[in-house]
Amino acid sequence: EAGVAQSPRYKIIEKRQSVAFWCNPISGHATLYWYQQILGQGPKLLIQFQNNGVVDDSQLPKDRFSAERLKGVDSTLKIQPAKLEDSAVYLCASSLTSTEAFFGQGTRLTVV
Amino acid sequence: GIQVEQSPPDLILQEGANSTLRCNFSDSVNNLQWFHQNPWGQLINLFYIPSGTKQNGRLSATTVATERYSLLYISSSQTTDSGVYFCAVRQGAQKLVFGQGTRLTINP
Repeated sequence: EAGVAQSPRYKIIEKRQSVAFWCNPISGHATLYWYQQILGQGPKLLIQFQNNGVVDDSQLPKDRFSAERLKGVDSTLKIQPAKLEDSAVYLCASSLTSTEAFFGQGTRLTVV
Repeated sequence: GIQVEQSPPDLILQEGANSTLRCNFSDSVNNLQWFHQNPWGQLINLFYIPSGTKQNGRLSATTVATERYSLLYISSSQTTDSGVYFCAVRQGAQKLVFGQGTRLTINP
């Protein structure tokens, strides 16, 4: 069974530029999550989808971050414009509703 | 929201030693997972253990839901066990909340 796929693996951008990350969850998983992990900290949820509806986006900085999950399958997370403090690893995960979650390899973003 | 505390924050051991990592949570949960974060940043699933005890090779985990804690045991540690271990919990259909992790270093 294929795992959660994310791309790109690494991205370096200048501040004020825009960037987009892509995630393809495990087939059949209705719940998709985007987490942000800053160096030395635990992952923090940015947004949680159930199929193509948003369940929780309370910690998503909506002035610069946006996410969508078209057709309830893959998802994109966008940052525009990026700030230095957005440097982090962005992790995508999926699960069958509220059961065990599985994570992708992550995208390491560096904003300079 | 629910709080998750992991201890110790750092643990340094010699190869062959045994270790115990603890996860305390502030409210009842219906989902608890242990992860190992590899050097490339990926979170590897170790256990899905809302309650009870499970074992997988040298690793085992116990969750006592009524007392709101979980323990991860690593026996006969190897250098490849080094990394950060995370506990994460969920209430109902809510988000998976992570602790701050335990950084384990196994020296040869």
